[in-house]
Amino acid sequence: DTEVTQTPKHLVMGMTNKKSLKCEQHMGHRAMYWYKQKAKKPPELMFVYSYEKLSINESVPSRFSPECPNSSLLNLHLHALQPEDSALYLCASSQDLSGPSSYEQYFGPGTRLTVT
Amino acid sequence: AQSVTQLDSHVSVSEGTPVLLRCNYSSSYSPSLFWYVQHPNKGLQLLLKYTSAATLVKGINGFEAEFKKSETSFHLTKPSAHMSDAAEYFCVVSDSYNQGGKLIFGQGTELSVKP
Repeated sequence: DTEVTQTPKHLVMGMTNKKSLKCEQHMGHRAMYWYKQKAKKPPELMFVYSYEKLSINESVPSRFSPECPNSSLLNLHLHALQPEDSALYLCASSQDLSGPSSYEQYFGPGTRLTVT
Repeated sequence: AQSVTQLDSHVSVSEGTPVLLRCNYSSSYSPSLFWYVQHPNKGLQLLLKYTSAATLVKGINGFEAEFKKSETSFHLTKPSAHMSDAAEYFCVVSDSYNQGGKLIFGQGTELSVKP
């Protein structure tokens, strides 16, 4: 199974709402990632988890809060977002963060987020 | 520092004709190079990867790419385009000494395939 799943597929939220994005993989991968992708642009890395610990935070605003409850799950908690945060949020996983295998990332289909 | 430049933001071909998507990279060390494809409203799918083995790399769906160190290029080719190839393609670089897991994406090339 080489699939990364993400829920929900679409999310519309107001600027005062609290919501969460979920990501799951069952490939035994120990590294998981959150990316943000605006239209017609490449993905931008937000967070990296390795062995359930936060490894990289690319200076993401605190209104985005990641969580890795176990090695298969990755959440992104959203609070007080701005309209400019509307984007496709992609989750990815890789075997680990060591060596060439770390760069072969498997992506989920994404959550299309609209902030109103 | 590593970087990657995709030389065309948009490429249009007719079905059945060859595809060439161009990518140049810059890396201080031996790079790992990838091509990812993204169909509309979908996630990214790995097409192929180069990690210092054979310089001609074969991927899925008939795509291949050749690593040319002297030209710092990693162009993606396919002999005959299919309508289903219409998508956004990203050339990606990372190197063995980079912080684990960080991919550097090109700006993308949108491939259109005309019937």
